[in-house]
Amino acid sequence: DQQVKQNSPSLSVQEGRISILNCDYTNSMFDYFLWYKKYPAEGPTFLISISSIKDKNEDGRFTVFLNKSAKHLSLHIVPSQPGDSAVYFCAASDYGGSQGNLIFGKGTKLSVKP
Amino acid sequence: KAGVTQTPRYLIKTRGQQVTLSCSPISGHRSVSWYQQTPGQGLQFLFEYFSETQRNKGNFPGRFSGRQFSNSRSEMNVSTLELGDSALYLCASSRTSGGLTDTQYFGPGTRLTVL
Repeated sequence: DQQVKQNSPSLSVQEGRISILNCDYTNSMFDYFLWYKKYPAEGPTFLISISSIKDKNEDGRFTVFLNKSAKHLSLHIVPSQPGDSAVYFCAASDYGGSQGNLIFGKGTKLSVKP
Repeated sequence: KAGVTQTPRYLIKTRGQQVTLSCSPISGHRSVSWYQQTPGQGLQFLFEYFSETQRNKGNFPGRFSGRQFSNSRSEMNVSTLELGDSALYLCASSRTSGGLTDTQYFGPGTRLTVL
């Protein structure tokens, strides 16, 4: 059973607009969440993270929102750029484990059109 | 500084064979994790090593094993290969283990094809 779900396999957005990528989780023990970006033929690259003591974390154009009651997090990219086109993975862990034991979603492929 | 390197980048094997994949972490990193990526299952955690000791293990059969050397380099081995083992195997390193804010850096992966 998938503990981390990214229900949209793909998303297409116009350059300059907002991209919103969503992620749901089922394990209430998860309290640290990360987003990774992956280009073809490269390994995933860490983007941004958030712990359960926060509901928002911002880094430049990237903002992650966490709604613990809904077990939902989202990644907002504003404004979207063509270089943001990649597969985005949501990942989760709990403080009982190490970061090396991340549970990943299956990814959402973002296409930003010029 | 040099990133995580994985060798080989591509590998073709036949069912029943065994395979060894290698990962060199970023200099100074002592934690190495392995993941399997397939289209159907996404990225799945295999195991994590820190200071030559396996700290965590994912839900994979015993055919999947690994080890870490004193220089933090790691190898994973898959014995008696099955068609379903065809995947991208990713290695990630971080400075420590247990530090959730300690960013994991991924290598480019080894693409294994089992015929």
